[in-house]
Amino acid sequence: DVKVTQSSRYLVKRTGEKVFLECVQDMDHENMFWYRQDPGLGLRLIYFSYDVKMKEKGDIPEGYSVSREKKERFSLILESASTNQTSMYLCASTENTGELFFGEGSRLTVL
Amino acid sequence: ELKVEQNPLFLSMQEGKNYTIYCNYSTTSDRLYWYRQDPGKSLESLFVLLSNGAVKQEGRLMASLDTKARLSTLHITAAVHDLSATYFCAVDIGAGNMLTFGGGTRLMVKP
Repeated sequence: DVKVTQSSRYLVKRTGEKVFLECVQDMDHENMFWYRQDPGLGLRLIYFSYDVKMKEKGDIPEGYSVSREKKERFSLILESASTNQTSMYLCASTENTGELFFGEGSRLTVL
Repeated sequence: ELKVEQNPLFLSMQEGKNYTIYCNYSTTSDRLYWYRQDPGKSLESLFVLLSNGAVKQEGRLMASLDTKARLSTLHITAAVHDLSATYFCAVDIGAGNMLTFGGGTRLMVKP
């Protein structure tokens, strides 16, 4: 079974803090994604990566950056967290089939 | 821009009843996915539909795809309480495995 693991299920940070969300997949997938999910807005793509060190902006990249130094690991970085980044963050991976496999999610609260 | 619309957004039904969730999308695609999300949890893949006329069934759920109408349906037969969840459809237009998600249908099955 595909396993996508997100390092933190719940985080509480203060405005202006730097935040790292880590995601690891164990199926050697080429493609990895970060989404955020907000009530009434559904899932929105922040960034994705199709190879090591490669990244592409999604629909809402502002205020975020990502890092993919190893194939299995895709990190989402909030350089200076703001309250409007309070959300559920979902990592996913896929091997060119389009079917996404999601992690458990990281619920971030920014105070 | 691809738009994916689900309806209804909320559905409350009695156990034993049948109902259908609809997913319409605005751009040509022959790859559509259905996911289930339980409260506080991540998304779980249900069905992968990869061609016009594709039909998949798992237990009380059946999904179909009509690419000419740009419509997918998720049919629930003889609903049970365990099916209570939010269901998302997602469409792939071939742009590097990026999926566009519908807004989700929150299904409540009353015992």
